[in-house]
Amino acid sequence: DAGVIQSPRHEVTEMGQEVTLRCKPISGHNSLFWYRQTMMRGLELLIYFNNNVPIDDSGMPEDRFSAKMPNASFSTLKIQPSEPRDSAVYFCASSTKTGNEQFFGPGTRLTVL
Amino acid sequence: GNSVTQMEGPVTLSEEAFLTINCTYTATGYPSLFWYVQYPGEGLQLLLKATKADDKGSNKGFEATYRKETTSFHLEKGSVQVSDSAVYFCARAFGGYNKLIFGAGTRLAVHP
Repeated sequence: DAGVIQSPRHEVTEMGQEVTLRCKPISGHNSLFWYRQTMMRGLELLIYFNNNVPIDDSGMPEDRFSAKMPNASFSTLKIQPSEPRDSAVYFCASSTKTGNEQFFGPGTRLTVL
Repeated sequence: GNSVTQMEGPVTLSEEAFLTINCTYTATGYPSLFWYVQYPGEGLQLLLKATKADDKGSNKGFEATYRKETTSFHLEKGSVQVSDSAVYFCARAFGGYNKLIFGAGTRLAVHP
């Protein structure tokens, strides 16, 4: 299995631009999680989905952030407009109904100038 | 509450030294417990887990025992290697949907 796939691996953009991060979970996994990691705040859970339905988005920092999961094999995290304080590594993770461990992707390093 | 507390790093050791990274949790029941490891530039990987009290998880020479009396899940390794240098995260399961609560992470640096 290819594992969780995230794209792009690195993104550099200017303040005010729209940023879209993409995630392909492991085939057959029915839960998907988006995290943000920074030195200051550590690892934060932003939102998670089960069977493509958002369950809890209370970790999404602002309305500038949105996430979708149109089907079982694809999810996006969008930031519009982006700000320098959004600079971080964003991870996607997926899991199955049983076993309860999460499998993480390699992350997207976002830099907003 | 529902939280995970782990010792602050960085932890700096010489090769072949004994490692302990402390982790305690709060919970009303007996959630599954995990240790994840993050190598530089990579995502988190599951290192080991324990699903019930007194279980011992082990992998790659690392061990952790689920202690309900002390609500702890300390990570240990008898002889660390330079390649073990990474950030280690303790986590507990929370609610349904396989949600995890993570500790702040402990950075380990092993020197030759």
